[in-house]
Amino acid sequence: DAKTTQPPSMDCAEGRAANLPCNHSTISGNEYVYWYRQIHSQGPQYIIHGLKNNETNEMASLIITEDRKSSTLILPHATLRDTAVYYCIVRFTGTASKLTFGTGTRLQVTL
Amino acid sequence: DTGVSQDPRHKITKRGQNVTFRCDPISEHNRLYWYRQTLGQGPEFLTYFQNEAQLEKSRLLSDRFSAERPKGSFSTLEIQRTEQGDSAMYLCASSLVLVRGRRDYGYTFGSGTRLTVV
Repeated sequence: DAKTTQPPSMDCAEGRAANLPCNHSTISGNEYVYWYRQIHSQGPQYIIHGLKNNETNEMASLIITEDRKSSTLILPHATLRDTAVYYCIVRFTGTASKLTFGTGTRLQVTL
Repeated sequence: DTGVSQDPRHKITKRGQNVTFRCDPISEHNRLYWYRQTLGQGPEFLTYFQNEAQLEKSRLLSDRFSAERPKGSFSTLEIQRTEQGDSAMYLCASSLVLVRGRRDYGYTFGSGTRLTVV
């Protein structure tokens, strides 16, 4: 699986959009970009994933650049409950592929 | 079904003792994963099962560690002769992989078992 690079930490004011970047310059054509988050003392939670098109669900939006070498997770209106570590993961969706976590981005949402 | 359940939530044990953790996955999920997480790090893969078959083990899984998933339902992770370096959060996850493994719909994690070896 391709490696990812994320900033170690970010701050965001409550109510504002949180934009979390991820670089995955060695991604291959059939690897997906997944985002998970982990709130303190809980297991990681799936947020969203995509291949090359932008994706949106009830939690977030995922913007993938045209060359697929980077992506941005957008939380449109961050709340205090969005404070967590966010992991960007690149993987195949085949049988042999497991999730490989990096150290993620610690997002702190403040009043 | 309320998701992936792990028991116990916390375990404190003395060095050298054996411990066993249990994971109950989402009932229709055929894959089950074990991860370990230490402070400040992301979860690290240990092993996974497809139904009752253990298909992959990480090099992190020393011979003191053993995992089982009898009948393809719940799973247990046992650590023998615990060491202080085994102190970590042990996470279980499950997922549904379609027949012939062509599609994986993502993992659901439990809340983990926090092990402290003193």
